Amino acid sequence: GDQVEQSPSALSLHEGTGSALRCNFTTTMRAVQWFRKNSRGSLINLFYLASGTKENGRLKSAFDSKERYSTLHIRDAQLEDSGTYFCAAPTSGGNYKPTFGKGTSLVVHP
Amino acid sequence: NSKVIQTPRYLVKGQGQKAKMRCIPEKGHPVVFWYQQNKNNEFKFLINFQNQEVLQQIDMTEKRFSAECPSNSPCSLEIQSSEAGDSALYLCASSPHWGGAETLYFGSGTRLTVL
Repeated sequence: GDQVEQSPSALSLHEGTGSALRCNFTTTMRAVQWFRKNSRGSLINLFYLASGTKENGRLKSAFDSKERYSTLHIRDAQLEDSGTYFCAAPTSGGNYKPTFGKGTSLVVHP
Repeated sequence: NSKVIQTPRYLVKGQGQKAKMRCIPEKGHPVVFWYQQNKNNEFKFLINFQNQEVLQQIDMTEKRFSAECPSNSPCSLEIQSSEAGDSALYLCASSPHWGGAETLYFGSGTRLTVL
């Protein structure tokens, strides 16, 4: 089965509001990385976490390896936040092949 | 954000034709990954390199693709005989270290359409 389960698959927000995206892992991951795919199709790095939380502007991410999940919080959403968000985590053992979630498609409305 | 360069941006091939795409990793990044992303946004790992050496690849890549990362030249991924199911976005990423503790930096991808 999928090692990375991402939710929700789609999300609609009004400008100024916020929400959280989540990735659950079926096994213990060493780290997590979050990306946003913009309108031009480029994957933009948002966060890399091996533990704890990180914050960057209106975005905040948390990673709990033991509990096997990571979250990405968006506050005060803006139109330019629209896009598809992905989490990725390296598989365990010596095979470093990051596994991706299926993405959350976020649309921010005026 | 990323300085990984992928060419061409779009590629259209007929079934049975070769399809070749290239990737220039970020300067100083010895590790390169190739992923295939389908229309459902699902990522499939294809192959990775450390410097010029293949570290891991899936069966499909080994059987149907030719890939290399020569020194002082772009990395390349070539499908030897394209099939309709190969239509997808091919993403290249580089990383400064091997070991699962570093960030991936992606290029913009090559969108392959096999007619």
